[in-house]
Amino acid sequence: KAGVTQTPRYLIKTRGQQVTLSCSPISGHRSVSWYQQTPGQGLQFLFEYFSETQRNKGNFPGRFSGRQFSNSRSEMNVSTLELGDSALYLCASSLVGGTAYQETQYFGPGTRLLVL
Amino acid sequence: AQKVTQAQTEISVVEKEDVTLDCVYETRDTTYYLFWYKQPPSGELVFLIRRNSFDEQNEISGRYSWNFQKSTSSFNFTITASQVVDSAVYFCALSEASGGSYIPTFGRGTSLIVHP
Repeated sequence: KAGVTQTPRYLIKTRGQQVTLSCSPISGHRSVSWYQQTPGQGLQFLFEYFSETQRNKGNFPGRFSGRQFSNSRSEMNVSTLELGDSALYLCASSLVGGTAYQETQYFGPGTRLLVL
Repeated sequence: AQKVTQAQTEISVVEKEDVTLDCVYETRDTTYYLFWYKQPPSGELVFLIRRNSFDEQNEISGRYSWNFQKSTSSFNFTITASQVVDSAVYFCALSEASGGSYIPTFGRGTSLIVHP
């Protein structure tokens, strides 16, 4: 069974640009969560999608958005990039519910974004 | 507001030593979940365990064990007979259930280095 895949793995952008990251969950998984990891702020929850609906959202500005498609694949978008958006973006999938249910979350390898 | 403190920034041990990683949390909720994750050098987070606030039973899984004590708001993780492959950053996380929003908060992580 294929694991969680994230594309691209590495990305370099400049300030002001926008970026779209993609996450394909494990087959059959319907919940997808996104996290940002930076040296300064650590690991932070961005949002969770389930059945194409955003179910939970962390404390991030509106520049950060996401969506989920009918096949459970998810994308996150960051508009008007800032230097501080440089981070490792991790995606995780689970069968039904992110952190609230008795099931395991599986993480992808992450997308490392560098904003210059 | 929820908070997780991992006071140990880095721990260095020699193979076969036992090691305990500390996690102290703060929450006003009576219903919450606690987690441990492992992040090896590859960067991919690995889910290790979830505990809900009503289950204070200690858990053992192979060389791993967890001690949950509500009286001290701690959820400590012990690795018995450590191995080089245990070298990683370990994160403790807390997810409150208030309002049905299970947004996790992570500690800053403890870097464990196991020397051969």
